[in-house]
Amino acid sequence: AQKVTQAQTEISVVEKEDVTLDCVYETRDTTYYLFWYKQPPSGELVFLIRRNSFDEQNEISGRYSWNFQKSTSSFNFTITASQVVDSAVYFCALKDNDYKLSFGAGTTVTVRA
Amino acid sequence: DTAVSQTPKYLVTQMGNDKSIKCEQNLGHDTMYWYKQDSKKFLKIMFSYNNKELIINETVPNRFSPKSPDKAHLNLHINSLELGDSAVYFCASSQDVRDNSPLHFGNGTRLTVT
Repeated sequence: AQKVTQAQTEISVVEKEDVTLDCVYETRDTTYYLFWYKQPPSGELVFLIRRNSFDEQNEISGRYSWNFQKSTSSFNFTITASQVVDSAVYFCALKDNDYKLSFGAGTTVTVRA
Repeated sequence: DTAVSQTPKYLVTQMGNDKSIKCEQNLGHDTMYWYKQDSKKFLKIMFSYNNKELIINETVPNRFSPKSPDKAHLNLHINSLELGDSAVYFCASSQDVRDNSPLHFGNGTRLTVT
């Protein structure tokens, strides 16, 4: 069964618009970790954030912010005032007690100048 | 200094050949992984080694054989390559598979089988 669902396949915005990427996860474990990774056109995978299941505080890092809601099993990611350099594929991932980092299918974000 | 390095970056070969991809990490991590990213960008774990011991072995054809000579290296050997093996293969490492530290990925090896 798919553990991580990223329903948005592609999002296209104009520079300076905000963009929110949805991530819904599924696990029976009470302890788990959620991650976001960025894959720019150059192809490398860049770690952005990790959140554990006991910490529901939202986090902001510059123009990036994350909204974790256990009640809806969601861990959404918002880019504020998007820039062309934000164009990338963004992956949400879950690690629970099977030790495997399971990725969602990714959301391709295109920011147009 | 590259943290997780894998070679080669590109690999083009014909069906039926045998090829290897090498991976090395200089982060002092105990756990290493191989992931496969298909043409639709989907990332799936293949193998994981913790301190040279195989701990995750997904349903991967036995033509794929990982080898970990020490905890800083995890190589991937593929026998009798098929067209469907074409993908980008990522090596990764983390401090320990049990501590949920983030994975650090290499830059990927794009394998094309013709």
